Amino acid sequence: SQQGEEDPQALSIQEGENATMNCSYKTSINNLQWYRQNSGRGLVHLILIRSNEREKHSGRLRVTLDTSKKSSSLLITASRAADTASYFCAHDDSGNTGKLIFGQGTTLQVKP
Amino acid sequence: GAVVSQHPSRVICKSGTSVKIECRSLDFQATTMFWYRQFPKKSLMLMATSNEGSKATYEQGVEKDKFLINHASLTLSTLTVTSAHPEDSSFYICSARRSVGEQFFGPGTRLTVL
Repeated sequence: SQQGEEDPQALSIQEGENATMNCSYKTSINNLQWYRQNSGRGLVHLILIRSNEREKHSGRLRVTLDTSKKSSSLLITASRAADTASYFCAHDDSGNTGKLIFGQGTTLQVKP
Repeated sequence: GAVVSQHPSRVICKSGTSVKIECRSLDFQATTMFWYRQFPKKSLMLMATSNEGSKATYEQGVEKDKFLINHASLTLSTLTVTSAHPEDSSFYICSARRSVGEQFFGPGTRLTVL
């Protein structure tokens, strides 16, 4: 399967706690992106990190990328109930086709 | 951010009928659009790459005669599920590529085949 691995598959935390999701992939990449999806809805782009970057921040989000380990992590700090959603990583196929290969996703539940 | 729309958002049809789903980039031109399928509680699986003015490129295992893709203009791609059956019921999501690394997703279409 081309799809990358994400862990955990499901995560349940209390509001205010931090949530960390991990993603691994198999091929070389140009960039990796994280998306959020509320149940039954489309995808919302969160952040893009390029292969020459190691860390990137956006508000309460922090993404890291380790190309030597072919892995990335998404950290959501000070979580809120509204952060409850599924989170997917996706990377390009390095062939500049624009295709995105998605990870299997992490379902995050933030309890108020 | 750029806006991509899909129509319809939800469709229910009888087995054997064909269903057309539209994907539009509203404020930019997209030479490339992508169609994904998502099963409940699963990730997105790329079905095909839609290129304006040329034939779509299908991923392995996707029947091109079953899922007809037409990218007639720089802002519109359509996916037609022909002779739909219950196993085709799924959430179909399109995306449009604005530039390298920039891809925007539509809100999805929920297809239910009875």
